[in-house]
Amino acid sequence: NAGVTQTPKFRVLKTGQSMTLLCAQDMNHEYMYWYRQDPGMGLRLIHYSVGEGTTAKGEVPDGYNVSRLKKQNFLLGLESAAPSQTSVYFCASTQHGQGIYSNQPQHFGDGTRLSIL
Amino acid sequence: GESVGLHLPTLSVQEGDNSIINCAYSNSASDYFIWYKQESGKGPQFIIDIRSNMDKRQGQRVTVLLNKTVKHLSLQIAATQPGDSAVYFCAENMGDMRFGAGTRLTVKP
Repeated sequence: NAGVTQTPKFRVLKTGQSMTLLCAQDMNHEYMYWYRQDPGMGLRLIHYSVGEGTTAKGEVPDGYNVSRLKKQNFLLGLESAAPSQTSVYFCASTQHGQGIYSNQPQHFGDGTRLSIL
Repeated sequence: GESVGLHLPTLSVQEGDNSIINCAYSNSASDYFIWYKQESGKGPQFIIDIRSNMDKRQGQRVTVLLNKTVKHLSLQIAATQPGDSAVYFCAENMGDMRFGAGTRLTVKP
């Protein structure tokens, strides 16, 4: 049982380039989330999804897009990368429940370390 | 101790001692709290959670205490081991999950 798998693990981009981060979970979870983690700060929610085909904005959505075409996958896209998007990106999932966070612990992947030059 | 939004504090303990990591949360209406452990280069790992209708919850070697009066959460780790060295952070669900930046725990052998 792999849990939450993120690919790639590392990536370096030039300003203006685009890329897609992939998150896959094998726990049949309904809810999935994308966060960024910056030094000295807590995780910040970028976008989330409460089910296949649905997405919503989080705290810091600007410059990112997401898609949830299949229940097990949640993709995060950067259309035109900027240095301010240098960060570690974490995907998480949780079973459905009340509210967008379902009052259950989230299962996290090991992150994608992204540098924008 | 830690508070949601502050810079990363550190805690250094001797192997075998008990560790106490603190967290001040912001919203008195928050109804669910989680402690996570994050090792270097890894994603956050769930340790223990507690709902607002409880004051204390125990797991294996860990205890979480919730003081709603002063909006304070603590994580106690008994008989701390070198493998416990990591960043620990709390999260509160106030309809919107907020994560603390964390406390770095270092265990000295």
